[in-house]
Amino acid sequence: DGGITQSPKYLFRKEGQNVTLSCEQNLNHDAMYWYRQDPGQGLRLIYYSQIVNDFQKGDIAEGYSVSREKKESFPLTVTSAQKNPTAFYLCASSVSKGAIRGEQFFGPGTRLTVL
Amino acid sequence: AQTVTQSQPEMSVQEAETVTLSCTYDTSESDYYLFWYKQPPSRQMILVIRQEAYKQQNATENRFSVNFQKAAKSFSLKISDSQLGDAAMYFCAYRSAEEYGNKLVFGAGTILRVKS
Repeated sequence: DGGITQSPKYLFRKEGQNVTLSCEQNLNHDAMYWYRQDPGQGLRLIYYSQIVNDFQKGDIAEGYSVSREKKESFPLTVTSAQKNPTAFYLCASSVSKGAIRGEQFFGPGTRLTVL
Repeated sequence: AQTVTQSQPEMSVQEAETVTLSCTYDTSESDYYLFWYKQPPSRQMILVIRQEAYKQQNATENRFSVNFQKAAKSFSLKISDSQLGDAAMYFCAYRSAEEYGNKLVFGAGTILRVKS
């Protein structure tokens, strides 16, 4: 089945540690996105990538980094510079810019907790 | 920058009845897309319905329909014949057709509770 997978589902991190969240899609989508969801707030964009080897900062990129070496994969690293990383992280993908029906499809999410 | 506002943090509806969720947005663009996403307790985001701004006709998907008022920048979601499975967080989202990136701007969400 085509879809987006995120792993792990739950992740625990000690303060001061970097951690990487995985996102893989087999939908042949060009574009991929990372969002953060906090209680009582909508999703906020962290980073996005329209093509391989290219990505842009979203609204809350500080303390995060990404890579896009393969079309299928868009891992997110939460660094120790992120002051409040405990949140629910959602990965999404879509066809490329310009597609009229380019809605985003979402993965199941990763819950990150900093201990 | 565009903003999306959902003024109802929480709504309740009786099973089989109709409920309307409100959404307003702010933009200076003329070409854009609007979406309603549903997030059930599993937290999986599911697209409910989409509306292209250039279309005057309101979108419908089975029991879900929208009231799109472009001049008022309003995009409400009507759920008819509500079912227990409709209970979820609902997010309104905006996407520019002009900006690079296909990015979505989300509202804060409305929790919908369905009473049996």
